[in-house]
Parts: sequence; C-alpha cells; structure tokens
Amino acid sequence: EDQVTQSPEALRLQEGESSSLNCSYTVSGLRGLFWYRQDPGKGPEFLFTLYSAGEEKEKERLKATLTKKESFLHITAPKPEDSATYLCAVRGGSARQLTFGSGTQLTVLP
Amino acid sequence: DAGVIQSPRHEVTEMGQEVTLRCKPISGHNSLFWYRQTMMRGLELLIYFNNNVPIDDSGMPEDRFSAKMPNASFSTLKIQPSEPRDSAVYFCASSLTGEGDTQYFGPGTRLTVL
Repeated sequence: EDQVTQSPEALRLQEGESSSLNCSYTVSGLRGLFWYRQDPGKGPEFLFTLYSAGEEKEKERLKATLTKKESFLHITAPKPEDSATYLCAVRGGSARQLTFGSGTQLTVLP
Repeated sequence: DAGVIQSPRHEVTEMGQEVTLRCKPISGHNSLFWYRQTMMRGLELLIYFNNNVPIDDSGMPEDRFSAKMPNASFSTLKIQPSEPRDSAVYFCASSLTGEGDTQYFGPGTRLTVL
C-alpha cells in the first residue's frame, strides 16, 4: 500500500525567509510524485510532477526535488501570497490512482 | 479553456434527504475522479472512471453513495439518504488518461448535512 507523510504539518515564515517542505513516501515502483497547492475554499491546483530520483522542477519561487524516498518543495524568498496548503501525492506502480499526504499549511507573514 | 466544473458550490440539507453533486470534466479528458476532503481524513478518493466506466469504487463509504458517468462530459455523485457525517467538501478531478496523468481539480462542493 502506498503511503505519503508530509512534514511539518504547519509552517510560519516571515516574508523572504526561505524554507523547505518535506514529503516522504513509500511506494512499490514510483510512477509519479505530484505537488499541489490548495487555497482555502478552493480545489487543489497542480504545481509539479516528478518521475525519477534526481529530477528537479521550478516555478517562480518554488522548486521541487525528488530522491528515492522523499521529495522537497523549496520556497525561496516567499511572499504572503504563497500562503496555502501544499499537498503531495504519489502513484505507485501497482496503483491506478493517487495517494495524497495530509498537507503542510504554510503561512507567510508580511 | 474551462476547467473542471462542479455544481452546486454549496449544499445544505437535512439528514435523510437525497443529495446529488454534479461534475463536468475538462473536455478531452478520459478519466474522472471523485474525492472527499475533511479535516480529520484529508483527501480521500471515492471512485474513479475511465472512459465513462467505473474502475475502482473501493473508496465509496457505503451503499448510500453511488456515482454515475452517463457520458464523457458529465458525472454525478449521489448520497441517499444523507447523514451528518457526510458533511465534507467533495471534489471532482479529471485527467487526460488516468494512468498517472496529472489530475485537475474542480472548485468543490461544500456539503453540510444537518
């Protein structure tokens, strides 16, 4: 059974204070690791897909990296508008659907 | 391009009533997913369809829940009879093929059962 654990559960940063969110996973043959952003009252918004260890993807202040056991979402010089819950999901080789973590609630203070 | 469309956005009903949630996937997407999100359990997959056929409904809580996809552009999730513990946000998502493709989520329906 695929498992995803995200940490920390909540993170408060000052504007400009860089940090990282962690997503640890256990799957039988990773076929994709997905990062989503969710704002209050809205559906998850797709950010990145990573497929193999060593892969990295960037979008504005966000950078996602992947190893064989975990993924990091690095946030560089965050702004208040980056405040949201960030969800990680995986698809293992034997599964047809995604398994989501419980998310990290990020608050960036001005 | 229009994203995934869900209706209604909010639903308040009384225990025992039937509730129907609706979803229109992104045009051209072949897979559709229904999720439920609560504070306690996070985001849970209820059922998903591929080419209008239900593939995995193991996440459906019980017989009170049913889902249909009569054509490629419409799906419903029905709860009958509804109970207070069904209160949650229900999301619909679609993907191009379903086999590991990125899922795009709708805005959700917030259901409150009194």
